[in-house]
Amino acid sequence: DTAVSQTPKYLVTQMGNDKSIKCEQNLGHDTMYWYKQDSKKFLKIMFSYNNKELIINETVPNRFSPKSPDKAHLNLHINSLELGDSAVYFCASSQDSQPQHFGDGTRLSIL
Amino acid sequence: SQQGEEDPQALSIQEGENATMNCSYKTSINNLQWYRQNSGRGLVHLILIRSNEREKHSGRLRVTLDTSKKSSSLLITASRAADTASYFCATVKGDSSYKLIFGSGTRLLVRP
Repeated sequence: DTAVSQTPKYLVTQMGNDKSIKCEQNLGHDTMYWYKQDSKKFLKIMFSYNNKELIINETVPNRFSPKSPDKAHLNLHINSLELGDSAVYFCASSQDSQPQHFGDGTRLSIL
Repeated sequence: SQQGEEDPQALSIQEGENATMNCSYKTSINNLQWYRQNSGRGLVHLILIRSNEREKHSGRLRVTLDTSKKSSSLLITASRAADTASYFCATVKGDSSYKLIFGSGTRLLVRP
């Protein structure tokens, strides 16, 4: 009965590859987010979708593309992975502007 | 630029002591939230304080907000080893109710 679940939990891949991270929430929330947490634990928002519409799109390279097939899912696709993409990626959800619920993160390591 | 600087960056206390963490921000806000992150886990929401509130309590947590100084503090009373975690403040600007701007976090270690 996990509220916000992300897969995979760990992702180790070579530079230049393309990979996807999936996120699903069963809280019935209408807004979902992707955050990036770097090695210094600094957390920064990347994207947000509200009812499948993109509402926040921070300065993120075009290689990152979010996709929301429905309100309960927000996936993140990353093309041509670079060393600097190594980080922990968190998915979160909220109902409107209420406090956000976070998944446990996907640890991406680029070799 | 990112807003939300927290101090101290790291705090080590004995079980039973109180822990105080501070957060400063740069722009006007709608509300300020505190989150906890246990090692290897996602963030968990602790408490939200609105810009027109000065103090809020939740169990052993006490949060204050001083909008004139653009600062907030989180006090954890009678700390427990299970409180060991990183604590983050996050602000929501008045014009963007969905966007959280996180601080740099305080790593709290509670020694048994």
